[in-house]
Amino acid sequence: GEQVEQLPSILRVQEGSSASINCSYEDSASNYFPWYKQEPGENPKLIIDIRSNMERKQIQELIVLLDKKAKRFSLHITDTQPGDSAMYFCAARQGTGSKLSFGKGAKLTVSP
Amino acid sequence: EAAVTQSPRSKVAVTGGKVTLSCHQTNNHDYMYWYRQDTGHGLRLIHYSYVADSTEKGDIPDGYKASRPSQENFSLILELASLSQTAVYFCASSDRGGQYFGPGTRLTVL
Repeated sequence: GEQVEQLPSILRVQEGSSASINCSYEDSASNYFPWYKQEPGENPKLIIDIRSNMERKQIQELIVLLDKKAKRFSLHITDTQPGDSAMYFCAARQGTGSKLSFGKGAKLTVSP
Repeated sequence: EAAVTQSPRSKVAVTGGKVTLSCHQTNNHDYMYWYRQDTGHGLRLIHYSYVADSTEKGDIPDGYKASRPSQENFSLILELASLSQTAVYFCASSDRGGQYFGPGTRLTVL
């Protein structure tokens, strides 16, 4: 199946700065890339996604970039707040079917 | 937002016992999934289904069975629970977009 690499696995930033998480995938047929936020003891929640016909998508402080040629996509959180502290997972879906392949996650800590 | 519920929310099972985890969704989604998450790790797909009465193997199906008796319900069955199956189990549902996760079931096998 699709392999998704996610880096870094841990990142720490100061409140008000930006945080970036990068993912790469192998299958050029992948066409849908969601991002999930998981707080301790909670379920993963879909926060933003991007389809292969787009290069950039923004929802408030969240920006997702997709580079299909490089098979990379990234999440950028601007003006981070302590409430952004969580695990973040990227995922990719292959062209057919509905299965998602998840990255191993990135633990973001935002310090006041 | 998608409504996915799971029961039980936590369970302690004995090694060799049978465990059934249940999932119910009210979103009219065709696809349902079972994942396990181990402490500090990502999500691994166990089984999934795209239509009632049919299930497919995911990436780590060994030791697990699944049942999809209706569009709304999807169960995960551990016939002979083992210590290595201690984990948090998440159910999810989707249409052709993002997957929406249930609250999870914390399973401890002793």
